Amino acid sequence: ETGVTQSPTHLIKTRGQQVTLRCSSQSGHNTVSWYQQALGQGPQFIFQYYREEENGRGNFPPRFSGLQFPNYSSELNVNALELDDSALYLCASSFTPDRAQNEKLFFGSGTQLSVL
Amino acid sequence: KQEVTQIPAALSVPEGENLVLNCSFTDSAIYNLQWFRQDPGKGLTSLLLIQSSQREQTSGRLNASLDKSSGRSTLYIAASQPGDSATYLCAVIRDTPLVFGKGTRLSVIA
Repeated sequence: ETGVTQSPTHLIKTRGQQVTLRCSSQSGHNTVSWYQQALGQGPQFIFQYYREEENGRGNFPPRFSGLQFPNYSSELNVNALELDDSALYLCASSFTPDRAQNEKLFFGSGTQLSVL
Repeated sequence: KQEVTQIPAALSVPEGENLVLNCSFTDSAIYNLQWFRQDPGKGLTSLLLIQSSQREQTSGRLNASLDKSSGRSTLYIAASQPGDSATYLCAVIRDTPLVFGKGTRLSVIA
């Protein structure tokens, strides 16, 4: 158990809909990262939040957006869902004393999103 | 752009065998390298983290080595068990968050 919890565990949406995924960080962690993992692939970095501000973004379109709250929990929002958005979405938390990226990440169990 | 490659993509071994999983990365200027285990449809479990200044880390039957200059890491699993069956991912970190390989899918046959 990493202490990182994600909800929901599974979700089915139709193309064009919007979805919100949630992540609760491990206690004491101030940084949250989101990853997308397509079947048979390694996770791909979507973005990271450090102390409620975006601190890096991967190669994902603006319809992927996020938030980090004062308690360091986080949301991933995806608008205008496409079939290719079907994937496992992973949240990871860590404690970083500054914006450095060299701290150990702890992952949640993920949300499996299916877009029909 | 950092790229991480894992070989082999899949591996099947009989129970009790020792095995090595390989990971290579193109940019050697990394802060650390992490090995993860992933069961089907599940999240990632961190196995070992090697800081850039270290050469290896051990945890139980697992040993991970890091050779930054050659851009390589290996994960050694001793006396494999059926419960070790999973996908093993390596990931490196530098200025951007973790860059992952596609993983090695390991099957240990009883």
